[in-house]
Amino acid sequence: AQTVTQSQPEMSVQEAETVTLSCTYDTSENNYYLFWYKQPPSRQMILVIRQEAYKQQNATENRFSVNFQKAAKSFSLKISDSQLGDTAMYFCAFRQGGSEKLVFGKGTKLTVNP
Amino acid sequence: SAVISQKPSRDICQRGTSLTIQCQVDSQVTMMFWYRQQPGQSLTLIATANQGSEATYESGFVIDKFPISRPNLTFSTLTVSNMSPEDSSIYLCSVLRGTYEQYFGPGTRLTVT
Repeated sequence: AQTVTQSQPEMSVQEAETVTLSCTYDTSENNYYLFWYKQPPSRQMILVIRQEAYKQQNATENRFSVNFQKAAKSFSLKISDSQLGDTAMYFCAFRQGGSEKLVFGKGTKLTVNP
Repeated sequence: SAVISQKPSRDICQRGTSLTIQCQVDSQVTMMFWYRQQPGQSLTLIATANQGSEATYESGFVIDKFPISRPNLTFSTLTVSNMSPEDSSIYLCSVLRGTYEQYFGPGTRLTVT
């Protein structure tokens, strides 16, 4: 079974600085998708960014980018120019190709300090 | 994206009772999902609900405890039956929109006393 590991339970960063959240996963499949979700204190889960495993180019969405290392099974999220509104739980998630199921990591609680 | 609403947003229930949680989507979707998020924990998939067929439950979850209905393409319910304090969690529904992306409802925070 696939597993997703987030080794940083909590992190903090100063406003306007850059922070990187780590995620590793375990799979024997070659076709899969990876996601980062954000869950602010209000609880609504929001999709931040996704990466298809077959794409070598790292995904980017505005201030959010990923470093996808397929051989190392690593999928880190970089947040640039951190803002107070980035304070949230961040979950890394895995989805096998051909399946709709998401497997989540335990999450990283990120606090952006003014 | 998708607009998803859940009712109730929160509830406090007595041990041994049941609670039905509703999930409404703003447009038709084939697949809906129910997740549980225990306090301070990650999300765990309970079941997948397709319209017109029985829900598919994940290991550790059974229909008698978590019956699910999916009467049409925009609506689903999850019932938490014979509740115990261990059922205190946030319950979230989500939908698959397009090829890749799941969108989540705001969740229902359940406390069982």
